[in-house]
Amino acid sequence: AQSVTQLGSHVSVSEGALVLLRCNYSSSVPPYLFWYVQYPNQGLQLLLKYTTGATLVKGINGFEAEFKKSETSFHLTKPSAHMSDAAEYFCAVRDSGAGSYQLTFGKGTKLSVIP
Amino acid sequence: NAGVTQTPKFQVLKTGQSMTLQCAQDMNHNSMYWYRQDPGMGLRLIYYSASEGTTDKGEVPNGYNVSRLNKREFSLRLESAAPSQTSVYFCASRPETLTGSSGNTIYFGEGSWLTVV
Repeated sequence: AQSVTQLGSHVSVSEGALVLLRCNYSSSVPPYLFWYVQYPNQGLQLLLKYTTGATLVKGINGFEAEFKKSETSFHLTKPSAHMSDAAEYFCAVRDSGAGSYQLTFGKGTKLSVIP
Repeated sequence: NAGVTQTPKFQVLKTGQSMTLQCAQDMNHNSMYWYRQDPGMGLRLIYYSASEGTTDKGEVPNGYNVSRLNKREFSLRLESAAPSQTSVYFCASRPETLTGSSGNTIYFGEGSWLTVV
């Protein structure tokens, strides 16, 4: 069974500072990995995903994440935080095997950006 | 360009009442999902439907039933609502085929806020 651990339920950064949100996963087969963002009272929006190929993945709004198989990690980063980045972020994993339909989410990390 | 549409957006129920959350997608997707979101718990899968005519239990199916009415619509029913079912419910869909496997993006609706008193 696959699982996702997001370290830190709340992260605060100053505007302009580096954003680092941590995600570790477990999966018995090569995984597909996703980061979603949720703004208050809204649904989830895909930030970026890793399926195959390049391990450094760039997403929307200046975010990127690197798949590190040896560390079973898929941390999300952004060089310079903006006030509009304040939201909750969810990491998710899905097995790449045929017939695998379930997407497993982490518990989320709420990002606060301090002016 | 509606995507995934859920109704109602807000609902208050009394314990023991029944209700159905409706979900429709206009992207011709095969797979559809119902998740619930609770503080500190992330999103947990209630039921999913890999294709029209099939449904399967997810992580937290107790107290819920689903119907995949056609390719577009996937409804979630609470037969006898309980306070523990107070949550935000999200419907989602993905292009996924029956035999294929891909990293296709899963698209979410805007959510339905349900309170059971």
